[in-house]
Amino acid sequence: AQTVTQSQPEMSVQEAETVTLSCTYDTSESDYYLFWYKQPPSRQMILVIRQEAYKQQNATENRFSVNFQKAAKSFSLKISDSQLGDAAMYFCAYRTGNTPLVFGKGTRLSVIA
Amino acid sequence: GAGVSQSPSNKVTEKGKDVELRCDPISGHTALYWYRQRLGQGLEFLIYFQGNSAPDKSGLPSDRFSAERTGESVSTLTIQRTQQEDSAVYLCASSSNLEGRNGYTFGSGTRLTVV
Repeated sequence: AQTVTQSQPEMSVQEAETVTLSCTYDTSESDYYLFWYKQPPSRQMILVIRQEAYKQQNATENRFSVNFQKAAKSFSLKISDSQLGDAAMYFCAYRTGNTPLVFGKGTRLSVIA
Repeated sequence: GAGVSQSPSNKVTEKGKDVELRCDPISGHTALYWYRQRLGQGLEFLIYFQGNSAPDKSGLPSDRFSAERTGESVSTLTIQRTQQEDSAVYLCASSSNLEGRNGYTFGSGTRLTVV
């Protein structure tokens, strides 16, 4: 079974600085998709960024970018110029074919003013 | 609707009672998913529906849990004889199809507290 591991239960970053959240996954598939979701206190899960495994180029969305290392099965999220509104739980997730998303346990990010 | 709607937002129930949680997906989304999130934990898959196909119930933790969906519309998750360990946030999500590239659109969840 596919598993997703987030080894950092909590992280903190100074406002305007850069932080990287780690994620590793285990799969025998070659074609799959990886996601980062943000969950603020409102509980709503918000899609931050998505990466297709067949693409070598790392996905970017404004201040958010990923470092996708397929051979190492690593998918880290970098947040640049951190803002107070970035404080939330961040979940890494994996999906292949028509299987449901598999989530990691999450990383709680605090942003210090 | 514009987003995934879940009701109620919060539910407190007594141990042993049955509860029904409702999810109204985005119009036109054929796939619908239920997840459970215990306090401070990640999301556990419960069940998903795709159109009129048989649902994938592989994540349901016990036979006290069941879910229904009529066509591509509203879904109801039912928990019978609730136990304290059922206390969690129940999140619903929908997707335009089953293909892997699409992420999901989530609702804000129902926080269930069993006392």
